[in-house]
Amino acid sequence: NAGVTQTPKFQVLKTGQSMTLQCAQDMNHNSMYWYRQDPGMGLRLIYYSASEGTTDKGEVPNGYNVSRLNKREFSLRLESAAPSQTSVYFCASREQGNTEAFFGQGTRLTVV
Amino acid sequence: KQEVTQIPAALSVPEGENLVLNCSFTDSAIYNLQWFRQDPGKGLTSLLLIQSSQREQTSGRLNASLDKSSGRSTLYIAASQPGDSATYLCAVRGTGFQKLVFGTGTRLLVSP
Repeated sequence: NAGVTQTPKFQVLKTGQSMTLQCAQDMNHNSMYWYRQDPGMGLRLIYYSASEGTTDKGEVPNGYNVSRLNKREFSLRLESAAPSQTSVYFCASREQGNTEAFFGQGTRLTVV
Repeated sequence: KQEVTQIPAALSVPEGENLVLNCSFTDSAIYNLQWFRQDPGKGLTSLLLIQSSQREQTSGRLNASLDKSSGRSTLYIAASQPGDSATYLCAVRGTGFQKLVFGTGTRLLVSP
């Protein structure tokens, strides 16, 4: 079982460049999430998608956009990267109801 | 706003010790609480999920308890091993919202 797969695993961007982080899950989950993890701050929710066709902002959505392409895939786009977006990005998925969340291995992004 | 605190931030123990990690949260209106393990440079691995109606959950040498009224959860690790060395994160899912709110974790080192 692949679970939640994120690509790429590492990326270095220059300020102002754009990129899309990809996430796919093979567990047929309805809900998908994007978090960022920064030292001393824990994981913070950027955007989530409760079901295919819906997306909502989390705690820190500024500078990001998302697309729920289908039930499997949920992408995160940085239109104009800034050094403050240097972080580790995690995608997660969960079935509806009181179920556990499963996380991908993360994308380590550096913006210089 | 829900806040999750984990104390201590770091813990070092000799192999074989039983240990307790603490997690506290400010809003007792939660759906569930989930404990994760994170190895350096890796993603999050789900360890245990406790529903709000439950008092504890067990998996192997791990036992997690939940006292919703006091806003506390503990993760008990029996007979610790060097392979248990990792960062342990707790996260709560509140009512009426999709997201998990994370603590900043306890970094555990088990020495041989």
